[in-house]
Amino acid sequence: EAGVAQSPRYKIIEKRQSVAFWCNPISGHATLYWYQQILGQGPKLLIQFQNNGVVDDSQLPKDRFSAERLKGVDSTLKIQPAKLEDSAVYLCASSSLRMRADTQYFGPGTRLTVL
Amino acid sequence: GNSVTQMEGPVTLSEEAFLTINCTYTATGYPSLFWYVQYPGEGLQLLLKATKADDKGSNKGFEATYRKETTSFHLEKGSVQVSDSAVYFCALLNYGQNFVFGPGTRLSVLP
Repeated sequence: EAGVAQSPRYKIIEKRQSVAFWCNPISGHATLYWYQQILGQGPKLLIQFQNNGVVDDSQLPKDRFSAERLKGVDSTLKIQPAKLEDSAVYLCASSSLRMRADTQYFGPGTRLTVL
Repeated sequence: GNSVTQMEGPVTLSEEAFLTINCTYTATGYPSLFWYVQYPGEGLQLLLKATKADDKGSNKGFEATYRKETTSFHLEKGSVQVSDSAVYFCALLNYGQNFVFGPGTRLSVLP
């Protein structure tokens, strides 16, 4: 079974530029999560999708971050414009509705550096 | 609110040494507790979990016991290997809510 795929793995941009990250969850997983992991901190949930609907986006900075999950499969997370404090690893995770909510599978992450 | 505190790293040990990584939590209700591991260049992987007080989670020689009286979930391993070098995250999950992760503890095991 293929795991959660993310791209790109690394991205360096200047502040005020835009950037987008892509996630392909495990096949059949209805729930998809985006986390932000700042250096020296644990992951923090940004947004949770179930199929193509948003379940929780309470910690997403909506003035600059947006996410979508068209057709309930792949997802894209966008930052526009980026700030220095957005430098972090962005993790995508997925889980199946048939599993317990605590069974999440994580991708390798995208490391973003904002200069 | 819910929070998780872990011992600061990095922790550096020699191969076959005993490992303890402390984790304490603050939460309402009765959360489930987890340890995740992140190897270099990889995503987080579930290492073990416990869903109620006095439960012991175990996997790959690692153990942790859910201690409600001390609100702790310390990770232990009797004999670490070089391949255990990674970052370890303690986390909690309350019913109907989302994961809360600790800051992580980096472990380096020297041959």
